[in-house]
Amino acid sequence: GQNIDQPTEMTATEGAIVQINCTYQTSGFNGLFWYQQHAGEAPTFLSYNVLDGLEEKGRFSSFLSRSKGYSYLLLKELQMKDSASYLCAVVDSNYQLIWGAGTKLIIKP
Amino acid sequence: GAVVSQHPSRVICKSGTSVKIECRSLDFQATTMFWYRQFPKQSLMLMATSNEGSKATYEQGVEKDKFLINHASLTLSTLTVTSAHPEDSSFYICSARELAGGRDEQFFGPGTRLTVL
Repeated sequence: GQNIDQPTEMTATEGAIVQINCTYQTSGFNGLFWYQQHAGEAPTFLSYNVLDGLEEKGRFSSFLSRSKGYSYLLLKELQMKDSASYLCAVVDSNYQLIWGAGTKLIIKP
Repeated sequence: GAVVSQHPSRVICKSGTSVKIECRSLDFQATTMFWYRQFPKQSLMLMATSNEGSKATYEQGVEKDKFLINHASLTLSTLTVTSAHPEDSSFYICSARELAGGRDEQFFGPGTRLTVL
């Protein structure tokens, strides 16, 4: 079957760095998305990785290793507004989106 | 976690035809379902919120007569793209909200890729 694993919840301190991991087993791979979702709002696109490596975009970076079925989202200089759920989603060989359950990130002062 | 399915997963149609997409919550009851549209490498755009037994609430700029939403039961919502045109080609995603046992969670479907020729 197809499966996406990410931690249910993480806690970090304002100003620190946090890494949210995502591992996947899917039938084929056509890219991986990271989304941020605040409670009651639609998810916001953060990144899309289809090739191995690290992509940096401001305070957020996303890494992909296709051979390991692994990705992470790195958030630097954490701010209180970064408290949200972070969703990992993989596009499989049929271009279907396989969603992770999301990681709730709690930022403490 | 709870499962949300969509059917069909991919559809190709001619311009001017109508396409119906189904969204089902398989193991829970969803009083609220959401319909999103995604353009390549962009955020999910919320189109409408569908409540069982009542009319859907559409976001600004979304034509309700073009995107017909029906939420006839607690496990099924449908989105019909009427008189589809090439610019309607997109990835349509639904999600279902589960309110049970003190939880309030949203589960996403796998998406439907629509290509209008």
